[in-house]
Order: sequence, then C-alpha cells, then structure tokens
Amino acid sequence: DAGVIQSPRHEVTEMGQEVTLRCKPISGHDYLFWYRQTMMRGLELLIYFNNNVPIDDSGMPEDRFSAKMPNASFSTLKIQPSEPRDSAVYFCASNQQGADGEQYFGPGTRLTVT
Amino acid sequence: GENVEQHPSTLSVQEGDSAVIKCTYSDSASNYFPWYKQELGKRPQLIIDIRSNVGEKKDQRIAVTLNKTAKHFSLHITETQPEDSAVYFCAARVVSDMRFGAGTRLTVKP
Repeated sequence: DAGVIQSPRHEVTEMGQEVTLRCKPISGHDYLFWYRQTMMRGLELLIYFNNNVPIDDSGMPEDRFSAKMPNASFSTLKIQPSEPRDSAVYFCASNQQGADGEQYFGPGTRLTVT
Repeated sequence: GENVEQHPSTLSVQEGDSAVIKCTYSDSASNYFPWYKQELGKRPQLIIDIRSNVGEKKDQRIAVTLNKTAKHFSLHITETQPEDSAVYFCAARVVSDMRFGAGTRLTVKP
C-alpha cells in the first residue's frame, strides 16, 4: 500500500483565496483524521470521520474551515477565505478500528498564506 | 475531552545516556497510548505504543511504562544515538479520539 496520500505537498496562496487540501487514506481504513501542526499550538485534531461520517468537528477553528469525505477513499479540507494565521502543516491520518490501532500519517501539506 | 500534558518541552543528552519523557492524561477512559517520533520536515511516525491492560512494553532501546492509577506514562530511550534527535509526541486515545501532547524536542549530542 502506498500509505496515506496527501496533495498538494506545498501550497502558497494569498489571503482571501480558497484553499483545498486533499487526502486519500489507506485502503480498508475506516477512520480518517485531519490535524493541523504549528509551532505555537503543536498538533491539533481538527476533525475525524468514521465510515465517511464526521464524528467530531469540535477542533475546527472557524466556519471558514470545512471538511468532507464523499467516499471511503477521499477527503478534503477546505479553507475559505484563507488568512495568514492558517499557515501551518496539515496532516491527514487514518487507522482501522479493531486493528492494532496505529494511526498512519500522510506526508502533510505545508500551507503558506501571504 | 482528553487533555495530555508532556514534559519536558526540550531535552538535551549526551550520546549514550538515557532520555526520559513523561506525559499525563486526564480521561480515565483512555486506553491506548502511542508515542510518535517526528524528524524535521517529516510526518509523525509511531515508535511504540501501549494499551491500558499493560504496564510496560519494551522494544530494543525504547520502553514505555504506564501507570493507570496516576494517569501518567513515560518513554524511555537508552543508549541514545544522534539519530534519536527529533521531536517526540505522546498521545492518549479514547475510542477513536486521539489527543497529542505538545511534544519534546530531544537533542542527542555526539
């Protein structure tokens, strides 16, 4: 398996623009997580899905952030409009319930909002 | 929700010495405690984990201990090497909700 796949790996955009981050979880994994990592706040859980259904989005910072999982192999995290304080590395991770429990991280998307 | 605290935030040791990182958690329902290592510019990767029905687990130079009564768990790295230098994160999971500590930047000096 190729592991968790994220795209793009780097994104530079101007304030006010819409940003869409993409994730493909490991095949067969039924949990998908979106995290944000910054120096100031560390690794924060934004939202997670189980079987494509959002379970907990309490970590989503504002209404500007939204996430979807239209099917078991694809999820998006959208920021509209983007702001400089959204600059961070966004990780997607997946795991399989009932298995060894290990959460596998994708390579991350480094977002810079100017 | 779960709250995980991690100490110290930075740790510097001499090559060959041991390193210990400690974490506490708040939710007694947490039952899975992984440790991740993150090298600069890379993704977090699992190095060891422990479940609530186990008190200690060891894998070569790495060991983790868990005290459920006190709600704390620790990572021990023995015979440290320069390649152990990284940021280490502890985490605690309730069902599928995993919360991470703030991380410890470990530097191993040759």
